Amino acid sequence: QSALTQPAYVSGSPGQSITISCTGTNSDIVNYDYVSWYQHHPGKAPKLIIYEVNSRPSGVPNRFSGSKSGNTASLTISGLQPEDEADYYCSSKRSVIRVFGGGTKLTVL
Amino acid sequence: QVQLAESGGGVVQPGRSLRLSCAASGFNFRVYGMHWVRQGPGQGLEWVSFIEGGEGREFYADSVKGRFTISRDNPKNTLYLEINSLRAEDTAVYFCARDGPHWDVDWWGQGTLVTVSP
Repeated sequence: QSALTQPAYVSGSPGQSITISCTGTNSDIVNYDYVSWYQHHPGKAPKLIIYEVNSRPSGVPNRFSGSKSGNTASLTISGLQPEDEADYYCSSKRSVIRVFGGGTKLTVL
Repeated sequence: QVQLAESGGGVVQPGRSLRLSCAASGFNFRVYGMHWVRQGPGQGLEWVSFIEGGEGREFYADSVKGRFTISRDNPKNTLYLEINSLRAEDTAVYFCARDGPHWDVDWWGQGTLVTVSP
């Protein structure tokens, strides 16, 4: 059982927007603004796409955005593109360690 | 260009030991904290261990505490993970990753597969 809870699957058509939720606890998401999101194409290295809830590393398109409310963080991808089809993972600081979500498989129809 | 290359995975019998390596390049390895994260078959990412930069402290997930040991050789730019008393549930792809400045993980390797099987 993963430390953070994500939906297993989400889908959308090209051009649409989707949102992936990530639910945690007082030990992680609620008390820290250190939520990050990762894109993982199987067989490749995961890629950081959001840090500190809503900041994007250089080179990540602004179609990717993050937010947080209470114990739930969210990743929104707008203007879906075929190359966005991947697994997405959230992560949070929890004391001195990190915790991850179980991952969400995004299918671009 | 940051590069992280894991090695040392393979098929191992239960109860045996294994040492994974991660060769780092393209950055000042010595000053960065480093992580091991694993992904079991059909499962999500699981944070395993972290070692601070320099000669820093080590941290472990409860699920591996006492069996796994993280270490680093700064002159060789190499991160290690020693796994003892291997169990079937340790079967996973093990990723080496660099600690970012915002309590994130900003660079990852492609992983090395460990399969625990009789």
